[in-house]
Amino acid sequence: DAGITQSPRHKVTETGTPVTLRCHQTENHRYMYWYRQDPGHGLRLIHYSYGVKDTDKGEVSDGYSVSRSKTEDFLLTLESATSSQTSVYFCAIRNREFDNSPLHFGNGTRLTVT
Amino acid sequence: AQRVTQPEKLLSVFKGAPVELKCNYSYSGSPELFWYVQYSRQRLQLLLRHISRESIKGFTADLNKGETSFHLKKPFAQEEDSAMYYCALSGRSGGSNYKLTFGKGTLLTVNP
Repeated sequence: DAGITQSPRHKVTETGTPVTLRCHQTENHRYMYWYRQDPGHGLRLIHYSYGVKDTDKGEVSDGYSVSRSKTEDFLLTLESATSSQTSVYFCAIRNREFDNSPLHFGNGTRLTVT
Repeated sequence: AQRVTQPEKLLSVFKGAPVELKCNYSYSGSPELFWYVQYSRQRLQLLLRHISRESIKGFTADLNKGETSFHLKKPFAQEEDSAMYYCALSGRSGGSNYKLTFGKGTLLTVNP
């Protein structure tokens, strides 16, 4: 398995509180992604990064921010959590040194906002 | 814009029957296509990519550019194939084309 660690694995938080999820990789891959997985919606891209301090929005970025100060860490922050952000969050990494390289996923973080 | 459509949310077959999970895509350039599988409460795992033309766990998928499809097939389903399957598409050139767009997934159940 690719060296990807997500923390925490589970979190319950209250509406309005800030939450930060962490993704750590040991593969030195340039590209990192945050997806959320919801029944009926599949996986939707929140934000992604193509290098240190280089990030861009995905299709469902509202209410989320990211930071990447080191190659190995990609943080996802919910500034003020809402119940609609209850979801399973997956981090993924990708090596684009060659064509058709796949994404490798972490184990996911199950977030519940009450 | 890139889009992936998996028309079936649920697919149920009996053990030993053939399986076909459909995937259609929309992309203006030459895409990279993948199938991912997620077993119950586990991480997503790469199953196939179109460039490899390989067979993994008995599954194959052929890219049909004329029909813009990348259907996943297996001639004889096994109970352990029960899982959620996602089709995904990526562009080839730089920048935002390196993101993968996923379909909504098809939940395959193989009955004994």
